[in-house]
Amino acid sequence: DTAVSQTPKYLVTQMGNDKSIKCEQNLGHDTMYWYKQDSKKFLKIMFSYNNKELIINETVPNRFSPKSPDKAHLNLHINSLELGDSAVYFCASSQGLAGGSKTQYFGPGTRLLVL
Amino acid sequence: QKEVEQNSGPLSVPEGAIASLNCTYSDRVSQSFFWYRQYSGKSPELIMSIYSNGDKEDGRFTAQLNKASQYVSLLIRDSQPSDSATYLCAVTGNNNDMRFGAGTRLTVKP
Repeated sequence: DTAVSQTPKYLVTQMGNDKSIKCEQNLGHDTMYWYKQDSKKFLKIMFSYNNKELIINETVPNRFSPKSPDKAHLNLHINSLELGDSAVYFCASSQGLAGGSKTQYFGPGTRLLVL
Repeated sequence: QKEVEQNSGPLSVPEGAIASLNCTYSDRVSQSFFWYRQYSGKSPELIMSIYSNGDKEDGRFTAQLNKASQYVSLLIRDSQPSDSATYLCAVTGNNNDMRFGAGTRLTVKP
């Protein structure tokens, strides 16, 4: 009965490869997010989708492409992986947009290591 | 200037003491303020949220907000070793995105 789940939990890959991370939430929320947490533990938003529509798209290389097939899923595809992409990627969801009193619930994270 | 600033610590307090965590933010139109706790290797989990000036208490936790000073704090009373974690301050504004501080690492020593 996991609320927000991510796969895979760990991902080790070579530079230049293309990889995808999947996220699913069973909370019935309509908004989902991708965050990147670097080695200094700084958590930074990358994308946000509300009802499958992209509403936040931070300054992220276009090698990163989110896809939301439905409200319960938000996947992240990364092309041509670089060393600097190594981080923990967290998916989160909320009911409604983050402004106001909408609590975000985080997934367990995907630890990506690019060699 | 960073949008959300926290002292990275580490902050060390003895068991039973009050731990005080501070956060300042730069966007005056910020509306909602959150404290998340993150254990090492785990995901952030919500501890407290606060939306109006003043204090908000929940068990051993008290959040304090002062919008005029653009300052939000978290007090943890009767600190326990299990409170040892990184505490992340988060702020949302009109554009509906949540900005996190770099976090303060708290250690509670038995």
